[in-house]
Amino acid sequence: DAKTTQPPSMDCAEGRAANLPCNHSTISGNEYVYWYRQIHSQGPQYIIHGLKNNETNEMASLIITEDRKSSTLILPHATLRDTAVYYCIVSPSWEDSSYKLIFGSGTRLLVRP
Amino acid sequence: DGGITQSPKYLFRKEGQNVTLSCEQNLNHDAMYWYRQDPGQGLRLIYYSQIVNDFQKGDIAEGYSVSREKKESFPLTVTSAQKNPTAFYLCASNSGTKAFFGQGTRLTVV
Repeated sequence: DAKTTQPPSMDCAEGRAANLPCNHSTISGNEYVYWYRQIHSQGPQYIIHGLKNNETNEMASLIITEDRKSSTLILPHATLRDTAVYYCIVSPSWEDSSYKLIFGSGTRLLVRP
Repeated sequence: DGGITQSPKYLFRKEGQNVTLSCEQNLNHDAMYWYRQDPGQGLRLIYYSQIVNDFQKGDIAEGYSVSREKKESFPLTVTSAQKNPTAFYLCASNSGTKAFFGQGTRLTVV
């Protein structure tokens, strides 16, 4: 079973920030938080990941709470091409033999013109 | 270009026939995965392999089989024992920090 909880759907206006929440209250100390997105009928695309600290790359920012029980993916200036299903996943690091990616149902983000 | 190649993109089969879906990667990744996705649903893990000649069942392995004879290849066979084989199938490989997905194979069994 997925170890994360996400709202089924969200929307935001084009050009505004999209803030996608994820709860992972049972996360273990060696588990990372990963975000992927899937545009309709395509394979998922990696966005960002983190362990404890906040992370930023060219696509998004990831804010992880101090207790690591929840996180927020931020798309700072959403465009219509950001309309997709966003998946939050927790997974151990590669060194852990149980390493596998378990996807939940994700959040369907609709960016409105 | 480096990446994951799944073929074919669309596949039609008659009920009761086994069918094999291809997945090839040239990224030199050890770990590879197969997922199934039904309409409006998330991805469910079928099988995964962390190294050549080794693989483990995921959450919905019944009716499926895999092999991992080469690092680059991780074919998935959908057998006649799979009760509802019509679905979108995704293959992935993992660098250790992020996963790379193929574009998927849409299998329709008639």
